[in-house]
Amino acid sequence: KAGVTQTPRYLIKTRGQQVTLSCSPISGHRSVSWYQQTPGQGLQFLFEYFSETQRNKGNFPGRFSGRQFSNSRSEMNVSTLELGDSALYLCASSITGQETQYFGPGTRLLVL
Amino acid sequence: KQEVTQIPAALSVPEGENLVLNCSFTDSAIYNLQWFRQDPGKGLTSLLLIQSSQREQTSGRLNASLDKSSGRSTLYIAASQPGDSATYLCAVYDYKLSFGAGTTVTVRA
Repeated sequence: KAGVTQTPRYLIKTRGQQVTLSCSPISGHRSVSWYQQTPGQGLQFLFEYFSETQRNKGNFPGRFSGRQFSNSRSEMNVSTLELGDSALYLCASSITGQETQYFGPGTRLLVL
Repeated sequence: KQEVTQIPAALSVPEGENLVLNCSFTDSAIYNLQWFRQDPGKGLTSLLLIQSSQREQTSGRLNASLDKSSGRSTLYIAASQPGDSATYLCAVYDYKLSFGAGTTVTVRA
């Protein structure tokens, strides 16, 4: 079956702009989590959505937000981009959240 | 706050040698532990998941152990191959995955 897909794969934005990233989970998976990966901080948890509700949230500012649709697809939005937001953004899906997490290929965001 | 540490940070071995990767975590109240592989610029590939009630999990040449009471897990890769070259990440799950910084493995042909 198809894996986790993320679009777009690459993005270049300038400071102050906003960006929306999309994640389509594996069919049947209802939990979608987002992670930010940077060379300095490693992988950090952003938030998790389950059945269209944000169930858990990491320690990121309110500029980072997300949502989940009824088909379990999820979007992540970053407003007022800063240089430090340059990173690889990964989403992961699982059936309910407590099983194997399957990751997508990521969206690489560069903020200039 | 959960802290996950992976030692060593990098490892270089000749082909055929067995690999031993270590992971330690500070809070034993975990639901499970997962090992992932990441190739440069790519996403994460799940290798093994060990439930908190399990001591060991095996898949092919890979074997992972978990000692929850001491906060340790070890990933063994038997008879390494150049295709095993990658960064290996350990992550513990409570309500989210907390990751170590990874061990970058190079297998020399």
